[in-house]
Amino acid sequence: AQSVTQPDIHITVSEGASLELRCNYSYGATPYLFWYVQSPGQGLQLLLKYFSGDTLVQGIKGFEAEFKRSQSSFNLRKPSVHWSDAAEYFCAVGVGGGADGLTFGKGTHLIIQP
Amino acid sequence: DTGVSQNPRHKITKRGQNVTFRCDPISEHNRLYWYRQTLGQGPEFLTYFQNEAQLEKSRLLSDRFSAERPKGSFSTLEIQRTEQGDSAMYLCASSSTVGNGYTFGSGTRLTVV
Repeated sequence: AQSVTQPDIHITVSEGASLELRCNYSYGATPYLFWYVQSPGQGLQLLLKYFSGDTLVQGIKGFEAEFKRSQSSFNLRKPSVHWSDAAEYFCAVGVGGGADGLTFGKGTHLIIQP
Repeated sequence: DTGVSQNPRHKITKRGQNVTFRCDPISEHNRLYWYRQTLGQGPEFLTYFQNEAQLEKSRLLSDRFSAERPKGSFSTLEIQRTEQGDSAMYLCASSSTVGNGYTFGSGTRLTVV
């Protein structure tokens, strides 16, 4: 079965600084990969997704992620964070076929310092 | 397109009572998913519908849980004889194609007292 590891439970970043959130997955083939963001008490919003092709994926709100097959990673990056980026971020893997739901990591809580 | 709608937003119930949640997906989406999220955890997959057919159920979905999607439109998730461990956020998501990125609703937060 597939799994997702987000090694950082909390990350604190100063406003305007760059950000990288780590995600490692375990699956035998190339999965579908996703990053979602969740604000307190809210549902999840899709930031970006990777299916195939270019391994650098651009998303909404200035986020990007890079798929590295050799490292089984899909790290999320942003060059300059804003206070409104403070939220919970989830990496997820889907194994296609449509019959399987997504497997999520436990999330990384992003704190923005003024 | 009004997004995925879930009702109610919050539900407080006494242990042993039955509860039912509703999810209205994006109208053109034929796939519908239910997830459960407990505090400090990522969402966990519960079950999945393609149109009205329930195609997969997680082993997390005990006998007390049942989901339906009559006519392939809205879906309901019922929990019978609720237990305190059922307290969680129940999220619904819908999708139009395989792996297209699911659109999530805002969830129903269940508290069992």
